[in-house]
Amino acid sequence: DSGVTQTPKHLITATGQRVTLRCSPRSGDLSVYWYQQSLDQGLQFLIQYYNGEERAKGNILERFSAQQFPDLHSELNLSSLELGDSALYFCASSPAPSGEQFFGPGTRLTVL
Amino acid sequence: DQQVKQNSPSLSVQEGRISILNCDYTNSMFDYFLWYKKYPAEGPTFLISISSIKDKNEDGRFTVFLNKSAKHLSLHIVPSQPGDSAVYFCAASARGGSRLTFGEGTQLTVNP
Repeated sequence: DSGVTQTPKHLITATGQRVTLRCSPRSGDLSVYWYQQSLDQGLQFLIQYYNGEERAKGNILERFSAQQFPDLHSELNLSSLELGDSALYFCASSPAPSGEQFFGPGTRLTVL
Repeated sequence: DQQVKQNSPSLSVQEGRISILNCDYTNSMFDYFLWYKKYPAEGPTFLISISSIKDKNEDGRFTVFLNKSAKHLSLHIVPSQPGDSAVYFCAASARGGSRLTFGEGTQLTVNP
């Protein structure tokens, strides 16, 4: 158990819908990262927040957005969902802006 | 553009023998490298890391070797145990950076 929690574990929805994935980092970690793992691709970095501020952005679609709240938990919002958005979404946290990242169990999103 | 590559999708070894997992990178800005292990339905688990100022780092049965001139790193597991059977991901980050760039993973199977 890494100490990073993600909810929900599974999510099934339809195309065009909007969903919110939630992540609670390890106690004391200020940095939160979001990654996407599709069937045909490895883990792809989406976005990072550090102490409430966006710090780095990867190949995140405009339909996706994220935020980190004052209690340091983070939410990833996915809208206008397409079939290709079906993937595992992982959250990770670290105490510092860089270094080892500790991953949550992931949310499996299925878009039908 | 795959900046981190794990060319072997799978590796099978006998219990007690050495497992060697390989990883190549192309981005000369990478200076911090990590190995993660992933079981099905779980998030990646951090194993071991190495900074570019070192060429070897050891932690119990796990040793990571870095060859900067060849842009190559490897993970050695000695002795291999059946519980080591998992997908192993190599990851890298650049100076002062936070995002991790992952390889595609290698499925290790340790046979009893």
